[in-house]
Amino acid sequence: SAVISQKPSRDICQRGTSLTIQCQVDSQVTMMFWYRQQPGQSLTLIATANQGSEATYESGFVIDKFPISRPNLTFSTLTVSNMSPEDSSIYLCSVESKPFTDTQYFGPGTRLTVL
Amino acid sequence: GQNIDQPTEMTATEGAIVQINCTYQTSGFNGLFWYQQHAGEAPTFLSYNVLDGLEEKGRFSSFLSRSKGYSYLLLKELQMKDSASYLCAVYNFNKFYFGSGTKLNVKP
Repeated sequence: SAVISQKPSRDICQRGTSLTIQCQVDSQVTMMFWYRQQPGQSLTLIATANQGSEATYESGFVIDKFPISRPNLTFSTLTVSNMSPEDSSIYLCSVESKPFTDTQYFGPGTRLTVL
Repeated sequence: GQNIDQPTEMTATEGAIVQINCTYQTSGFNGLFWYQQHAGEAPTFLSYNVLDGLEEKGRFSSFLSRSKGYSYLLLKELQMKDSASYLCAVYNFNKFYFGSGTKLNVKP
């Protein structure tokens, strides 16, 4: 199974600033995913990041607010831009294993608090 | 659109059996997955169904009826450590869409 690390594990930020979250995987993967989990809620897919192409965003999420980079097959970043308190959430990256076997693996998450 | 429904919270007794239901209405379907998430931790994979029927995996079993848009997760011989949130997710065109999760409280 894939081992995923995220940096930072948590941060407290001021309104109007931006934070970049890093996701590193110990093996090469085609697809990486970014999710948001707000307090007491389930996971909401923000975007899918494939190496060599622009990220695909879900309804309600835009590139200007959540720019994503995917420079190679083991790494991705998500930036939360111009933050507001409503962005306070846990952000998780995920990679897909072979379909219908070990499914999707999640990183430990980044807990973001915006003041 | 994707619509996935689960009960918000359930309580069961240690040693008992509990069934967590999930209904879905999605624009496509390639599989139904169940995840466990302890508070403050990332979700971990439990079980999945692609075809109709029951899949058993130790104390956990999952059932799927595609015609009814329905799945359940069955947990047997409940242990205190099973207290967690259980997330139902539909796999559709290389993406996972999650339900709101069911918080299970196991009491002694």
